Amino acid sequence: GQQVMQIPQYQHVQEGEDFTTYCNSSTTLSNIQWYKQRPGGHPVFLIQLVKSGEVKKQKRLTFQFGEAKKNSSLHITATQTTDVGTYFCAAPSTPLVFGKGTRLSVIA
Amino acid sequence: DTAVSQTPKYLVTQMGNDKSIKCEQNLGHDTMYWYKQDSKKFLKIMFSYNNKELIINETVPNRFSPKSPDKAHLNLHINSLELGDSAVYFCASSQGAQGGKPQHFGDGTRLSIL
Repeated sequence: GQQVMQIPQYQHVQEGEDFTTYCNSSTTLSNIQWYKQRPGGHPVFLIQLVKSGEVKKQKRLTFQFGEAKKNSSLHITATQTTDVGTYFCAAPSTPLVFGKGTRLSVIA
Repeated sequence: DTAVSQTPKYLVTQMGNDKSIKCEQNLGHDTMYWYKQDSKKFLKIMFSYNNKELIINETVPNRFSPKSPDKAHLNLHINSLELGDSAVYFCASSQGAQGGKPQHFGDGTRLSIL
C-alpha cells in the first residue's frame, strides 16, 4: 500500500536556526497534507498541496510539493520555541497514510 | 464548541478490564476514524466509519470493537485490556471517506494499563 517516508526522525536546533523536514513517496501523489502535533497535543492540519511544484507559505513556514509530485518539504525559518512538536506529512489514500513524523526540539 | 471531543481524556486501568472511549464531532462530517499513537509517535489507523458503515478495519485484535450509532459519534470498546494497549487513542473526522480530505482530531485519550 501507499507509504511515505519522512526524514529526519528527530531534529534538534538552536532557536533562530532554520529547520526542514522531507517527505518522500515511491508513487506519484495527487496531493499531500502536513500536520503539526505539539507535545501532549493532537495532530492539527496545517496545509494541503495539490499542484506540481506548488509552494505555499504560512508566516515562517514554507511548504513545497515536488515537480514530480513524489516528494514534499516543510521549511521553518528562524525557529522559535513555539515550533516545538512533531510534523507529519500525510498522503492521500483510503485511509490517509501518515509518515512517521519529524520531532523538532528547539533549544532556547 | 469543541469540534471533535473524546472522553475520557485519561484512562488508567488494570490488565484484563474492559473499557470504552467515546467520540463526538459537531463538524457535520460523514467519516470518523480511530487512531492509535504509540510512544514513538507513530499514528496507526485502526478503524474508519463512513455514514455509520465500517469501511476500514486494519489489523487490530478483535478485542477492539468500534460502534457508530450515528455519523456524529464513534465509540471504541476494548475488552480484556493488555499492557500493549497502553497508548494514546485519537478520534478524527473528515468530510468524505476518500483520502485527501483534511482530518480533524480530538484531544486524545491516554490509556495506561497497570
